[in-house]
Amino acid sequence: AQTVTQSQPEMSVQEAETVTLSCTYDTSESDYYLFWYKQPPSRQMILVIRQEAYKQQNATENRFSVNFQKAAKSFSLKISDSQLGDAAMYFCAYRGLTSGTYKYIFGTGTRLKVLA
Amino acid sequence: GAVVSQHPSWVICKSGTSVKIECRSLDFQATTMFWYRQFPKQSLMLMATSNEGSKATYEQGVEKDKFLINHASLTLSTLTVTSAHPEDSSFYICSARPGQVRTPLHFGNGTRLTVT
Repeated sequence: AQTVTQSQPEMSVQEAETVTLSCTYDTSESDYYLFWYKQPPSRQMILVIRQEAYKQQNATENRFSVNFQKAAKSFSLKISDSQLGDAAMYFCAYRGLTSGTYKYIFGTGTRLKVLA
Repeated sequence: GAVVSQHPSWVICKSGTSVKIECRSLDFQATTMFWYRQFPKQSLMLMATSNEGSKATYEQGVEKDKFLINHASLTLSTLTVTSAHPEDSSFYICSARPGQVRTPLHFGNGTRLTVT
């Protein structure tokens, strides 16, 4: 069975600084997606970034980028120039593409605090 | 695009009554929708996969008779919590995926259920 682990329950970053959130996963599938979702206090789940496993190039979306290490099964999120609006819960998620179910598996989340 | 609307956003009901939560895909058709449950400060746990025109697929440990799911059209799935009890109080989130399986999930705003 696939698992997703986020080992940092809470992280803090100074405004304008850079922070990295960690995520590791376990799977035997060869084709899958990895995602980072943001959940602000409104509790709306917002897609931040996604990575296709077959792509070696790390995904980037403006201030957000990932470090995808497929062999190590690691998928960290880097937030550059942190802003107050980045404060939220961040969930790492896995979705396999070969099992046929296409279910998402979420990590336990990391609460990010941005200090002014 | 790819908006998922969930209603109501907040509901209080008395123990023993039933509550229906609606999930609509506003600008796309969704043959599959997913229902999640989220306890305070915890991750999203998949409850069931809702399939248009057929029975839902429930995750292990989720009571089918307690959480009734109906997916009668390509844009609407409903979750009915039957004979609700205080332990059913939680945050329920639906999600749907437009188009191909490789497209990411889009989430509704969630429903906070409080059973008194």
